[in-house]
Amino acid sequence: DSGVTQTPKHLITATGQRVTLRCSPRSGDLSVYWYQQSLDQGLQFLIQYYNGEERAKGNILERFSAQQFPDLHSELNLSSLELGDSALYFCASSPTGQRGGPETQYFGPGTRLLVL
Amino acid sequence: AQRVTQPEKLLSVFKGAPVELKCNYSYSGSPELFWYVQYSRQRLQLLLRHISRESIKGFTADLNKGETSFHLKKPFAQEEDSAMYYCALAPNSGNTPLVFGKGTRLSVIA
Repeated sequence: DSGVTQTPKHLITATGQRVTLRCSPRSGDLSVYWYQQSLDQGLQFLIQYYNGEERAKGNILERFSAQQFPDLHSELNLSSLELGDSALYFCASSPTGQRGGPETQYFGPGTRLLVL
Repeated sequence: AQRVTQPEKLLSVFKGAPVELKCNYSYSGSPELFWYVQYSRQRLQLLLRHISRESIKGFTADLNKGETSFHLKKPFAQEEDSAMYYCALAPNSGNTPLVFGKGTRLSVIA
C-alpha cells in the first residue's frame, strides 16, 4: 500500500457527462500528479500540482481540469466525456515537488472510467 | 525531447530462465531512471531507481550512459514476476513528471 488513495475505484457513465475523480496523497506529500493509462497510449502525464498551485501540464485536454485543495487532496474533472476517455486514471504523489532533483512518485490504485 | 523506449511489448520466458527487459532513453542531460511494476492493472509500484542501487525481488538495473540504456535484469525468473513493467525517466533538473515507456508485459511460463 503506497498510502495514496483514489476514489471511486470504478466509474461507468455516458458520453457527454461529467465526472470527478478524487485523490488523497500520502501524508506529508505536497505534490500530486495525474496520469491516464489507456491500452493504445500507455501512461500519459496529464497535470501536476504542488501545494495548491499548478506546476506542470502534459497532454491534458481542455475538457479536463484539476485542482489541489488546501488539505492537499486533488480532484480531476472530466467533462463532455467521449468514448475515448475510457481509461485508468492514476494519481501519484511525491514529498515536495521542489526543484531539488527527482523524487520517487508513489501511485494510487487508480480509477477505472468506462464511458458508454 | 525526452523519450523512453521499451522495444518489447511482450516477453515470455520459462521459470528459472534469465530475464532482461530492455529500456532505452533519449535525454540530453543526466536523467534519473526508474522501473515500475504493475500487477493485473493494479497500482504501479516502484521496483527500483538507479540512484538507490538496490536490488528488489532479485531485479537489478544498471544505467549505461554510453548506450543510453537502463535494462532490467533478473537471473532466475519466477512465476510471480509475471506483470507489466514500465521504465520511466525524470530529468535531473527539477521535480518534473515522469516520462514512461509503453511497457513490457513479462510472462513467466511454468
